[in-house]
Amino acid sequence: SQTIHQWPATLVQPVGSPLSLECTVEGTSNPNLYWYRQAAGRGLQLLFYSVGIGQISSEVPQNLSASRPQDRQFILSSKKLLLSDSGFYLCAWSPTTGLHSYNEQFFGPGTRLTVL
Amino acid sequence: RKEVEQDPGPFNVPEGATVAFNCTYSNSASQSFFWYRQDCRKEPKLLMSVYSSGNEDGRFTAQLNRASQYISLLIRDSKLSDSATYLCVVYGGSGAGSYQLTFGKGTKLSVIP
Repeated sequence: SQTIHQWPATLVQPVGSPLSLECTVEGTSNPNLYWYRQAAGRGLQLLFYSVGIGQISSEVPQNLSASRPQDRQFILSSKKLLLSDSGFYLCAWSPTTGLHSYNEQFFGPGTRLTVL
Repeated sequence: RKEVEQDPGPFNVPEGATVAFNCTYSNSASQSFFWYRQDCRKEPKLLMSVYSSGNEDGRFTAQLNRASQYISLLIRDSKLSDSATYLCVVYGGSGAGSYQLTFGKGTKLSVIP
C-alpha cells in the first residue's frame, strides 16, 4: 500500500530564516506530487505541483520554491520566511493515469509552521 | 463567484440525526467530484468520490447534478465520530486549472450526544 510522509510535524521559525519541508511517498512510482497551504480559517491553496523529476509548476507567486530531486521526494523551500508564510503545509500525491476522469489526491500528515 | 462554495456551518446535530451538506461549483467543465473529511488539525482524507448516478457508502450518500452544478452529501444516523469538517472538492475544468483539485472551504459538523 502507498504511504506518504512529511516532516517535521511542527516548526517554529523566525521571520527571515530559511525553510525546508520534505515529503516522500512510498509504494508507488511516478506519482503526481503537490504542495498545499491551509491558513487558519481558510481553504486549501495549491502552491506547487510536479508531474515528474525536476518538473515543477507554480500556482501562486510567492517567496516559496519547490524541488523534486527524486521520483518520490518533494521539497518545499524558502530563503527568507515572512509572517504570512505561517500555516498548515500539506503534501499530497495522486496516481498518474492516461485519463483525468478520476484523480483523487492523498495527503500527508502535514507540517504546522509558525513564523514569529 | 467562488469556484467551489459551501455553507461553512457549523451544523450541530444530535446523534442519530440525518444531515445534508450542499456544494456548488462554478466551472461547468469540471470532470470529477469528491468529498473529503478533515478532522481538527489533521490532513484531509478522501471520504468518497461522487459519480453522476449518485453513490452510497454505508451511511453516506453522495449526489451530483451537473446541470445545476451542485453536489450533495447525506449522512444518515450520525455518530459522534462523524464530527469533522467536510470539504467539497472538484477536479478539472477548462483553462489553467484543468488538472487540479479545487477545494471548498468546508462545512463543519458537530454531532452532539
